[in-house]
Amino acid sequence: GAGVSQSPRYKVAKRGQDVALRCDPISGHVSLFWYQQALGQGPEFLTYFQNEAQLDKSGLPSDRFFAERPEGSVSTLKIQRTQQEDSAVYLCASSLRGNTIYFGEGSWLTVV
Amino acid sequence: AQSVTQPDIHITVSEGASLELRCNYSYGATPYLFWYVQSPGQGLQLLLKYFSGDTLVQGIKGFEAEFKRSQSSFNLRKPSVHWSDAAEYFCAVGEGSTNAGKSTFGDGTTLTVKP
Repeated sequence: GAGVSQSPRYKVAKRGQDVALRCDPISGHVSLFWYQQALGQGPEFLTYFQNEAQLDKSGLPSDRFFAERPEGSVSTLKIQRTQQEDSAVYLCASSLRGNTIYFGEGSWLTVV
Repeated sequence: AQSVTQPDIHITVSEGASLELRCNYSYGATPYLFWYVQSPGQGLQLLLKYFSGDTLVQGIKGFEAEFKRSQSSFNLRKPSVHWSDAAEYFCAVGEGSTNAGKSTFGDGTTLTVKP
């Protein structure tokens, strides 16, 4: 596609509900990254894929967060039993060679 | 651990005036440095990056940044600001030139442009 596409753009979840956020990277991009951006803060790294391999998940805040990219293209970030502190914008980015990354517009998650 | 500090939370400049946004970093090795811009409701767009070589880096939209190792700084500049430059600006330090995606970001500077 022309850019990184994320869905849903906006999600309101009740506390305790599971959510799934989708990222469709730029076609052919090998690397895919997830970031979490809380209100008024900069993005924080969550996890990184190269093709289907999850090479780094050091930024995932708890075992309620899980990401996958089974075919090396589309990725899903899943948050189980959402809590209020999970409210944030979740940004996906992709890269072809690793030295420039392209961000999607983000998925805005509000947990009520 | 690497870190990025953007000392100015909010800056207001008049249209046509010059702009400098400050960024200080902490990183043990050769830093890979980036500036991004984020408009409301949008993702981040890369303005420029520094990996090595000339310490004055040119970017898109008329922006430039200067890497100063002695001051651990990578300040962003623009000689004449346009109203469309109003946005939030983030400085980031990456783990390497081939893994720019694993970056540590500052908390951003919000730029307001007065007519």
